[in-house]
Amino acid sequence: GNSVTQMEGPVTLSEEAFLTINCTYTATGYPSLFWYVQYPGEGLQLLLKATKADDKGSNKGFEATYRKETTSFHLEKGSVQVSDSAVYFCALSEGDYKLSFGAGTTVTVRA
Amino acid sequence: KAGVTQTPRYLIKTRGQQVTLSCSPISGHRSVSWYQQTPGQGLQFLFEYFSETQRNKGNFPGRFSGRQFSNSRSEMNVSTLELGDSALYLCASSLGQAPGGELFFGEGSRLTVL
Repeated sequence: GNSVTQMEGPVTLSEEAFLTINCTYTATGYPSLFWYVQYPGEGLQLLLKATKADDKGSNKGFEATYRKETTSFHLEKGSVQVSDSAVYFCALSEGDYKLSFGAGTTVTVRA
Repeated sequence: KAGVTQTPRYLIKTRGQQVTLSCSPISGHRSVSWYQQTPGQGLQFLFEYFSETQRNKGNFPGRFSGRQFSNSRSEMNVSTLELGDSALYLCASSLGQAPGGELFFGEGSRLTVL
């Protein structure tokens, strides 16, 4: 079946540091890949997505590239802010109307 | 436009009771999905409805059920509650026409079972 593995947290960074959250997946076909973010007290919201190999999703300074050869979709941001403190979830969909999520990575950015 | 609305936001039940949670999707969205979020199991898919039809179902016992109405609003029901059902239940809506499209999540209903 499908599964998503993302790096364990929590991750604590200082403002302006570089952030990377690793995500790898297992799928039988060619899934669409997503990063969702959950800010404190809020529901999940889509951060970015990629639907085919070599696609790069980007939003709010975050980027992730769909790497089929390494089955990965790592999230990166060059300079984080305190407002980026949240839980980040990697997810995939194989067209079966459901998302399979990773365990989530809690990121705390200190001023 | 208004987002996904879930009610109630918080509720406390005792073992053996049943609970019904409600979800109003974004206007124009015909797909509604439900997820359970717990610290131990993370986010797990419960079921997805489109135009009142269940298109997919996760690996949950039959105590968990759902339905969708003609106005796209959805409810999920959990009967004979167990302590392990304590969780944040998230509803998400989408246009639903293309698998893998963006889901818009509500803030969730937090269920505590005592």
